[in-house]
Amino acid sequence: DQQVKQNSPSLSVQEGRISILNCDYTNSMFDYFLWYKKYPAEGPTFLISISSIKDKNEDGRFTVFLNKSAKHLSLHIVPSQPGDSAVYFCAASTWGGNQFYFGTGTSLTVIP
Amino acid sequence: DTAVSQTPKYLVTQMGNDKSIKCEQNLGHDTMYWYKQDSKKFLKIMFSYNNKELIINETVPNRFSPKSPDKAHLNLHINSLELGDSAVYFCASSLPTGWGNEKLFFGSGTQLSVL
Repeated sequence: DQQVKQNSPSLSVQEGRISILNCDYTNSMFDYFLWYKKYPAEGPTFLISISSIKDKNEDGRFTVFLNKSAKHLSLHIVPSQPGDSAVYFCAASTWGGNQFYFGTGTSLTVIP
Repeated sequence: DTAVSQTPKYLVTQMGNDKSIKCEQNLGHDTMYWYKQDSKKFLKIMFSYNNKELIINETVPNRFSPKSPDKAHLNLHINSLELGDSAVYFCASSLPTGWGNEKLFFGSGTQLSVL
């Protein structure tokens, strides 16, 4: 049973524009969310996180938004750069928990 | 120095064989994990160890046996390999922060192909 879902397997965006990656979850106990970025032949690397006490967290060009009532989060990348081309995984956990549930990833292509 | 390193990177083997994947982390983390990424790209936890003790054991065939000789190492041994075991296996580690905001550090993965 997949508790974290990324329904868009791929996304293409022009360089300089905004990339919006979406993620939905089903378990209302989740209160900590993370985004990971993965290049081919490498492991996922941590990008940004948010706890359920916030609805927005920003780090440079990356912003994560959380809508708890809709059980939805999104990652915004502005402006998008060709180096952002990668697979982005959404993950969720309970606060202090050591089990992370991942989505199936969205492959982002930023076109120069 | 690679923080979480796993070997081998590629593993091609015949059905029925036994193989091992090794993982080491030099981050001083207490918790280590094995994740499996299948053909549908779904990244799913298999096992987790905290200070050499098994704390998470998801529904995984008992042909898979993790071993943690110390908290810096977590190896995965697979007996009687089957075609369906073909996947990418990722090792990861994390450090309990006390604040709840742990994050995983991943190795680069082992691509296992069972022929």
